[in-house]
Amino acid sequence: DTEVTQTPKHLVMGMTNKKSLKCEQHMGHRAMYWYKQKAKKPPELMFVYSYEKLSINESVPSRFSPECPNSSLLNLHLHALQPEDSALYLCASSQRDGYGYTFGSGTRLTVV
Amino acid sequence: QKEVEQNSGPLSVPEGAIASLNCTYSDRGSQSFFWYRQYSGKSPELIMSIYSNGDKEDGRFTAQLNKASQYVSLLIRDSQPSDSATYLCAVNPSNYGGSQGNLIFGKGTKLSVKP
Repeated sequence: DTEVTQTPKHLVMGMTNKKSLKCEQHMGHRAMYWYKQKAKKPPELMFVYSYEKLSINESVPSRFSPECPNSSLLNLHLHALQPEDSALYLCASSQRDGYGYTFGSGTRLTVV
Repeated sequence: QKEVEQNSGPLSVPEGAIASLNCTYSDRGSQSFFWYRQYSGKSPELIMSIYSNGDKEDGRFTAQLNKASQYVSLLIRDSQPSDSATYLCAVNPSNYGGSQGNLIFGKGTKLSVKP
């Protein structure tokens, strides 16, 4: 299995909703990442789980919170989002630091 | 601030030509370099990785790295319309700032291959 699986593929949510994005990989990779990508922009790093240690981009607002139930799963919990949070949310994994990423297909999020 | 710079394009080449995509980076201690292809509305796909100076070839793709000049490029030979996409350069910077292997992406170059 050489894939990173993200669900759902599309999500529309209101500003008062709570939702979660899910990411799963079975490649034995030890690092997993959440990126946010706006149209015509490069991916921006949000969170890293590497060897069970969480690293946070300090510019990410607290309405986004990651959770890593085990080494194969990475969730992103969403709460009280704003319309400007609408974007493509990408999960990625890598064998270890410094190696190339395998990206999931992404979740297209729209906040209304 | 560690940066990765790319010409945003669009770069337009005729079918069968060589497309040349360029990338510069600011962190001299960077160790790993990657090229991703991203079709519109899709996620990035890793197409090349390079770790040492020189050329690395994989099919129609050649990555070139010059660490002294802080420059990495991607050549696509015999370009096809299916190569039309945005190409993202990504760099793994040195760990001095606690980057922990997080890739820094350039803004991407949009390539258009005309039939």
